Amino acid sequence: GDSVTQMEGPVTLSEEAFLTINCTYTATGYPSLFWYVQYPGEGLQLLLKATKADDKGSNKGFEATYRKETTSFHLEKGSVQVSDSAVYFCALIGYSSASKIIFGSGTRLSIRP
Amino acid sequence: DSGVTQTPKHLITATGQRVTLRCSPRSGDLSVYWYQQSLDQGLQFLIQYYNGEERAKGNILERFSAQQFPDLHSELNLSSLELGDSALYFCASSGGAGAYNEQFFGPGTRLTVL
Repeated sequence: GDSVTQMEGPVTLSEEAFLTINCTYTATGYPSLFWYVQYPGEGLQLLLKATKADDKGSNKGFEATYRKETTSFHLEKGSVQVSDSAVYFCALIGYSSASKIIFGSGTRLSIRP
Repeated sequence: DSGVTQTPKHLITATGQRVTLRCSPRSGDLSVYWYQQSLDQGLQFLIQYYNGEERAKGNILERFSAQQFPDLHSELNLSSLELGDSALYFCASSGGAGAYNEQFFGPGTRLTVL
């Protein structure tokens, strides 16, 4: 079945550092890919998405490119801020998962001032 | 604020008991999704309702059931509770039937089973 694998956390960076959170997926066909963010004490929020190969999703300085050849959707940000501290979830919806969204295990990000 | 409300915020109960979690979707949204977030299982999709009808089912136990009412609010019923049911339960809503539509999450209900 469909699955998502993302890098284990926690990830701790200094403010203004470059961020990469790796995400790879297994799915038949061409799934839609998502990054969600969960700030402390809150529900998840959609951060960005991409629905076809080579699409780049972007929002709030974060970017991720749908790479079919490497089955990856890595999340990047050029300069992180303390306010980016949160848990980040990579997710997919694919043909075999029908209406179900499959989440990765989440990566906790902490940014030091 | 996503516009999705969930009550109660916290719930503490004992094994073997039954509880009901409530979710009100964003105004105009017809789909409601339920998720369970636990340390060992991660974030798992449980079930989706669209305009009162069950639309998709995930890893929902037989002890759990849900429904969506004519006013579109939804309830998740958990019965014969076990220690392992302790988790954060999220509700999300979206405008359309397909999961490809952006889902807006509520703040969650934290369930503790003692």
